[in-house]
Amino acid sequence: EIVLTQSPGTLSLSPGERATLSCRASQSVSRSYLAWYQQKPGQAPRLFIYGASSRATGIPDRFSGSGSGTDFTLTISRLEPEDFAVYYCQQYDTTPLTFGGGTRVDIK
Amino acid sequence: QLQLQESGPGLVKPSGTLSLTCSVSGVSITNTHYYWAWIRQPPGEGLEWIGTVYYTGRTYYNPSLTSRLSISVDTSKNQFSLNLSSVTASDTAVFYCARHYGDDPFDIWGQGTMVTVSS
Repeated sequence: EIVLTQSPGTLSLSPGERATLSCRASQSVSRSYLAWYQQKPGQAPRLFIYGASSRATGIPDRFSGSGSGTDFTLTISRLEPEDFAVYYCQQYDTTPLTFGGGTRVDIK
Repeated sequence: QLQLQESGPGLVKPSGTLSLTCSVSGVSITNTHYYWAWIRQPPGEGLEWIGTVYYTGRTYYNPSLTSRLSISVDTSKNQFSLNLSSVTASDTAVFYCARHYGDDPFDIWGQGTMVTVSS
Protein backbone atom coordinates (compact mmCIF):
# COMPACT_ATOMS: atom_id res chain seq x y z
CA GLU A 1 0.00 0.00 0.00
CA ILE A 2 1.26 3.48 -0.88
CA VAL A 3 1.11 5.72 2.18
CA LEU A 4 0.77 9.43 1.45
CA THR A 5 2.02 11.92 4.04
CA GLN A 6 0.87 15.52 3.70
CA SER A 7 2.57 18.48 5.30
CA PRO A 8 2.06 20.75 7.00
CA GLY A 9 -1.08 19.65 8.80
CA THR A 10 -2.29 23.23 8.95
CA LEU A 11 -1.19 26.28 7.00
CA SER A 12 -2.25 29.66 8.35
CA LEU A 13 -1.99 32.35 5.71
CA SER A 14 -3.57 35.62 4.66
CA PRO A 15 -5.48 36.28 1.44
CA GLY A 16 -3.07 37.16 -1.34
CA GLU A 17 -0.27 35.00 0.07
CA ARG A 18 1.23 31.96 -1.60
CA ALA A 19 0.46 28.49 -0.28
CA THR A 20 2.70 25.48 -0.78
CA LEU A 21 1.35 22.07 0.21
CA SER A 22 3.42 18.89 0.17
CA CYS A 23 2.48 15.27 -0.42
CA ARG A 24 5.12 12.59 0.01
CA ALA A 25 4.57 8.98 -1.03
CA SER A 26 6.06 5.93 0.68
CA GLN A 27 6.97 4.54 -2.74
CA SER A 28 7.07 5.91 -6.23
CA VAL A 29 3.75 6.87 -7.80
CA SER A 30 4.28 5.84 -11.38
CA ARG A 31 2.72 7.61 -14.34
CA SER A 32 2.33 10.62 -11.98
CA TYR A 33 -1.07 9.25 -11.01
CA LEU A 34 -1.44 11.77 -8.21
CA ALA A 35 -4.50 13.96 -7.66
CA TRP A 36 -5.40 16.84 -5.37
CA TYR A 37 -8.87 17.54 -3.99
CA GLN A 38 -10.34 20.49 -2.13
CA GLN A 39 -12.93 19.91 0.55
CA LYS A 40 -14.99 22.53 2.33
CA PRO A 41 -17.05 21.86 5.48
CA GLY A 42 -20.16 19.81 4.80
CA GLN A 43 -19.24 19.26 1.17
CA ALA A 44 -17.85 16.40 -0.86
CA PRO A 45 -14.27 16.67 -2.06
CA ARG A 46 -13.79 18.31 -5.43
CA LEU A 47 -11.12 17.24 -7.89
CA PHE A 48 -8.64 20.05 -8.51
CA ILE A 49 -5.51 18.48 -9.98
CA TYR A 50 -4.91 15.16 -11.73
CA GLY A 51 -1.84 13.63 -13.31
CA ALA A 52 0.17 15.58 -10.73
CA SER A 53 -0.04 18.81 -12.72
CA SER A 54 -3.20 19.01 -14.84
CA ARG A 55 -6.01 21.24 -13.65
CA ALA A 56 -9.49 19.79 -13.64
CA THR A 57 -12.30 21.55 -15.47
CA GLY A 58 -13.08 24.98 -14.07
CA ILE A 59 -10.12 25.17 -11.70
CA PRO A 60 -8.45 28.60 -11.79
CA ASP A 61 -4.85 28.90 -12.91
CA ARG A 62 -3.66 30.16 -9.53
CA PHE A 63 -3.67 26.46 -8.62
CA SER A 64 -0.74 24.43 -9.89
CA GLY A 65 0.57 20.96 -9.20
CA SER A 66 4.06 19.62 -9.64
CA GLY A 67 6.26 16.71 -8.76
CA SER A 68 6.92 13.11 -9.65
CA GLY A 69 8.01 9.89 -8.06
CA THR A 70 7.52 10.33 -4.34
CA ASP A 71 7.34 14.11 -3.91
CA PHE A 72 4.45 16.24 -5.05
CA THR A 73 3.40 19.82 -4.42
CA LEU A 74 0.23 21.84 -4.74
CA THR A 75 0.80 25.57 -5.01
CA ILE A 76 -1.79 28.30 -4.74
CA SER A 77 -0.13 31.40 -6.10
CA ARG A 78 -2.35 33.99 -4.44
CA LEU A 79 -4.94 32.87 -1.93
CA GLU A 80 -8.49 34.00 -2.51
CA PRO A 81 -11.09 33.88 0.30
CA GLU A 82 -12.75 30.83 -1.29
CA ASP A 83 -9.47 28.85 -1.23
CA PHE A 84 -9.46 28.37 2.54
CA ALA A 85 -10.31 24.69 2.89
CA VAL A 86 -8.77 21.25 3.39
CA TYR A 87 -6.72 19.75 0.56
CA TYR A 88 -6.11 16.04 0.10
CA CYS A 89 -3.73 14.28 -2.21
CA GLN A 90 -4.60 10.85 -3.59
CA GLN A 91 -2.68 8.28 -5.57
CA TYR A 92 -4.53 6.25 -8.18
CA ASP A 93 -1.53 4.32 -9.43
CA THR A 94 -2.11 1.13 -7.47
CA THR A 95 -4.81 -0.39 -5.35
CA PRO A 96 -5.65 0.14 -2.63
CA LEU A 97 -6.24 3.70 -3.74
CA THR A 98 -5.04 5.92 -0.91
CA PHE A 99 -5.39 9.48 0.30
CA GLY A 100 -3.12 11.67 2.35
CA GLY A 101 -4.24 12.92 5.73
CA GLY A 102 -4.99 16.40 4.43
CA THR A 103 -3.65 19.93 4.85
CA ARG A 104 -5.97 22.57 6.25
CA VAL A 105 -5.41 26.05 4.84
CA ASP A 106 -6.95 28.56 7.16
CA ILE A 107 -7.07 32.30 7.45
CA LYS A 108 -4.36 33.88 9.54
CA GLN B 1 -25.76 16.41 -16.10
CA LEU B 2 -24.24 13.53 -14.22
CA GLN B 3 -25.34 13.27 -10.61
CA LEU B 4 -24.79 10.71 -7.89
CA GLN B 5 -27.05 10.36 -4.86
CA GLU B 6 -26.43 8.15 -1.86
CA SER B 7 -29.31 6.68 0.12
CA GLY B 8 -29.76 4.33 3.04
CA PRO B 9 -30.26 4.15 6.79
CA GLY B 10 -28.50 6.77 8.85
CA LEU B 11 -28.26 4.51 11.89
CA VAL B 12 -27.02 0.92 12.06
CA LYS B 13 -26.65 -1.25 15.14
CA PRO B 14 -23.28 -2.71 16.09
CA SER B 15 -22.67 -6.12 14.50
CA GLY B 16 -25.27 -5.31 11.86
CA THR B 17 -24.86 -4.69 8.15
CA LEU B 18 -24.52 -1.23 6.66
CA SER B 19 -26.29 -1.02 3.30
CA LEU B 20 -26.20 1.98 0.98
CA THR B 21 -27.23 2.62 -2.59
CA CYS B 22 -25.91 5.16 -5.04
CA SER B 23 -28.33 6.27 -7.74
CA VAL B 24 -26.69 7.50 -10.92
CA SER B 25 -28.48 9.99 -13.17
CA GLY B 26 -27.41 11.69 -16.36
CA VAL B 27 -25.33 8.80 -17.67
CA SER B 28 -25.72 5.06 -18.03
CA ILE B 29 -23.94 3.05 -15.40
CA THR B 30 -23.06 0.64 -18.23
CA ASN B 31 -20.88 3.22 -19.98
CA THR B 32 -17.71 1.24 -20.62
CA HIS B 33 -15.41 4.13 -19.64
CA TYR B 34 -16.65 4.52 -16.07
CA TYR B 35 -16.00 2.85 -12.75
CA TRP B 36 -18.09 3.44 -9.66
CA ALA B 37 -16.66 3.78 -6.18
CA TRP B 38 -17.41 4.12 -2.49
CA ILE B 39 -15.30 6.31 -0.22
CA ARG B 40 -15.82 7.08 3.44
CA GLN B 41 -14.76 9.78 5.88
CA PRO B 42 -15.07 9.36 9.65
CA PRO B 43 -16.06 12.56 11.45
CA GLY B 44 -13.16 14.99 11.54
CA GLU B 45 -10.86 12.56 9.73
CA GLY B 46 -9.53 11.88 6.26
CA LEU B 47 -10.78 9.92 3.29
CA GLU B 48 -10.64 6.15 2.79
CA TRP B 49 -11.34 4.35 -0.46
CA ILE B 50 -13.67 1.42 0.21
CA GLY B 51 -13.95 -0.17 -3.20
CA THR B 52 -14.90 0.13 -6.85
CA VAL B 53 -17.26 -1.73 -9.15
CA TYR B 54 -17.46 -1.91 -12.93
CA TYR B 55 -20.81 -2.34 -14.68
CA THR B 56 -19.98 -5.99 -15.41
CA GLY B 57 -19.89 -6.64 -11.68
CA ARG B 58 -16.12 -6.83 -11.41
CA THR B 59 -15.03 -5.40 -8.07
CA TYR B 60 -11.89 -3.97 -6.52
CA TYR B 61 -11.85 -3.82 -2.72
CA ASN B 62 -9.70 -2.21 -0.08
CA PRO B 63 -7.91 -5.18 1.52
CA SER B 64 -8.60 -3.74 4.96
CA LEU B 65 -12.34 -4.25 4.39
CA THR B 66 -12.53 -7.23 2.02
CA SER B 67 -13.74 -9.74 4.59
CA ARG B 68 -16.80 -7.61 5.41
CA LEU B 69 -17.46 -5.91 2.09
CA SER B 70 -19.69 -6.45 -0.89
CA ILE B 71 -20.24 -3.95 -3.70
CA SER B 72 -22.67 -4.70 -6.48
CA VAL B 73 -24.28 -3.02 -9.46
CA ASP B 74 -27.89 -3.04 -10.68
CA THR B 75 -27.83 -1.92 -14.29
CA SER B 76 -31.62 -2.05 -14.60
CA LYS B 77 -31.94 0.63 -11.93
CA ASN B 78 -28.73 2.51 -12.81
CA GLN B 79 -27.54 2.03 -9.26
CA PHE B 80 -24.70 0.47 -7.35
CA SER B 81 -24.69 -0.64 -3.75
CA LEU B 82 -22.48 -1.16 -0.74
CA ASN B 83 -22.89 -3.74 2.00
CA LEU B 84 -20.54 -3.69 4.96
CA SER B 85 -21.15 -6.38 7.58
CA SER B 86 -20.23 -6.74 11.24
CA VAL B 87 -20.03 -3.01 11.73
CA THR B 88 -18.63 -1.31 14.83
CA ALA B 89 -18.52 2.27 16.01
CA SER B 90 -15.33 2.75 14.00
CA ASP B 91 -17.38 2.36 10.81
CA THR B 92 -19.26 5.57 11.62
CA ALA B 93 -18.57 7.93 8.74
CA VAL B 94 -19.87 9.99 5.88
CA PHE B 95 -20.09 7.65 2.91
CA TYR B 96 -19.61 9.04 -0.58
CA CYS B 97 -20.20 7.42 -3.92
CA ALA B 98 -18.07 8.64 -6.79
CA ARG B 99 -17.18 8.02 -10.40
CA HIS B 100 -13.83 7.56 -12.00
CA TYR B 101 -13.06 7.40 -15.67
CA GLY B 102 -10.83 4.44 -16.39
CA ASP B 103 -7.50 5.02 -14.66
CA ASP B 104 -8.40 8.58 -13.70
CA PRO B 105 -9.19 9.93 -10.21
CA PHE B 106 -12.64 10.56 -8.76
CA ASP B 107 -14.13 13.37 -10.81
CA ILE B 108 -17.79 13.25 -9.77
CA TRP B 109 -18.95 12.74 -6.18
CA GLY B 110 -22.28 12.37 -4.47
CA GLN B 111 -23.11 14.74 -1.64
CA GLY B 112 -22.43 12.05 0.96
CA THR B 113 -24.57 10.40 3.58
CA MET B 114 -23.79 10.12 7.27
CA VAL B 115 -24.06 6.66 8.80
CA THR B 116 -23.76 6.22 12.54
CA VAL B 117 -23.13 2.83 14.14
CA SER B 118 -24.75 2.83 17.56
CA SER B 119 -27.16 0.82 19.63
